[in-house]
Amino acid sequence: AQTVTQSQPEMSVQEAETVTLSCTYDTSESDYYLFWYKQPPSRQMILVIRQEAYKQQNATENRFSVNFQKAAKSFSLKISDSQLGDAAMYFCAYRRGASYGKLTFGQGTILTVHP
Amino acid sequence: DAMVIQNPRYQVTQFGKPVTLSCSQTLNHNVMYWYQQKSSQAPKLLFHYYDKDFNNEADTPDNFQSRRPNTSFCFLDIRSPGLGDAAMYLCATSRVMGEMTDTQYFGPGTRLTVL
Repeated sequence: AQTVTQSQPEMSVQEAETVTLSCTYDTSESDYYLFWYKQPPSRQMILVIRQEAYKQQNATENRFSVNFQKAAKSFSLKISDSQLGDAAMYFCAYRRGASYGKLTFGQGTILTVHP
Repeated sequence: DAMVIQNPRYQVTQFGKPVTLSCSQTLNHNVMYWYQQKSSQAPKLLFHYYDKDFNNEADTPDNFQSRRPNTSFCFLDIRSPGLGDAAMYLCATSRVMGEMTDTQYFGPGTRLTVL
């Protein structure tokens, strides 16, 4: 079975600084997708960024980028120029390629942004 | 805007009293999912519908049922809620086209309290 591990229950960052959230996963599949979702307090979960396993290039979305190390099964999220609105619970998630979208989530990391 | 809507946002029920949570979508996605998320934990998939095909997770209690009368609507029925069923219930949708599954879009969730 696939597992996703986020080893940092909580992280904090100063506004305008950079922070990296860690995620590791375990799978025997070769075709899969990885995601970072953001869940602000009392608000809905939204997709931050996704990475296809077959792509070697790391995904980037504005201030958000990932460091995808396939051999090490590591998928970290870097947030640059942190903003107060980035404060949220961040979930790393895994999806097997040929499935109906079933996501396996990590335990989550609470990110606090200090002004 | 196309979206995933959940009603109500907050639901209070009594121990053992059946309750129904509602999810609707304007995305015309063919897959709908129900997740249970307990406080500060990762979402856990309960079941999903691929069109009209119901797919239950192996460890989902029999107490939880679901209905999908049409593409737009999906309901979560809890037949006899226990105190341990108090949680946030998240609905999500995605589009499956052949072997490809698009990103999951989440609703805002319904927070269920069991008294």
